[in-house]
Amino acid sequence: AQRVTQPEKLLSVFKGAPVELKCNYSYSGSPELFWYVQYSRQRLQLLLRHISRESIKGFTADLNKGETSFHLKKPFAQEEDSAMYYCALGETSGSRLTFGEGTQLTVNP
Amino acid sequence: DAGVTQSPTHLIKTRGQHVTLRCSPISGHKSVSWYQQVLGQGPQFIFQYYEKEERGRGNFPDRFSARQFPNYSSELNVNALLLGDSALYLCASSLAGGVGIQYFGAGTRLSVL
Repeated sequence: AQRVTQPEKLLSVFKGAPVELKCNYSYSGSPELFWYVQYSRQRLQLLLRHISRESIKGFTADLNKGETSFHLKKPFAQEEDSAMYYCALGETSGSRLTFGEGTQLTVNP
Repeated sequence: DAGVTQSPTHLIKTRGQHVTLRCSPISGHKSVSWYQQVLGQGPQFIFQYYEKEERGRGNFPDRFSARQFPNYSSELNVNALLLGDSALYLCASSLAGGVGIQYFGAGTRLSVL
């Protein structure tokens, strides 16, 4: 069965500091991985998709198949990055998206 | 475009009742997925429908059912409600089936008393 683990429920950093939100997964096939974000009073929205290899709002995430990880990183956190972040795993040729429990990121001034 | 719309926004039911939640996808999107989000947890996959056919089902009892209409809108039905069904129910639409980019609605908050 596929599983996504986000070990930190809460993460607090200061503005300008680097931030890393951890995500580990277990899946027997070739995974599709995503980061979704929910800002205060907004709906859940896609931040990154691993196959796109993009940097969005300064965030990047690299899929490490050896460590089964897809950590989200940003070199210099901004206050507007404060939000709930969810890592999600999609089945290859499937329809199920499995979410982690989320990490609440707070960036302090 | 208003994005994915869900109705109602809030709902209060008692145990044993049944509930119907509605979702309208983004125009042009043919796939709708339903998720249950219990407080403090990530969304859990319930169903995906694509072109009016069920394409995937999560680990939920048969009390949960759904359907998709010719205009691609969808309903989620839950029978014989239990206290544990209290949650935020999210609908997401995407262009096609599978795990492509999903666009989420604001959700329906269901409280079962």
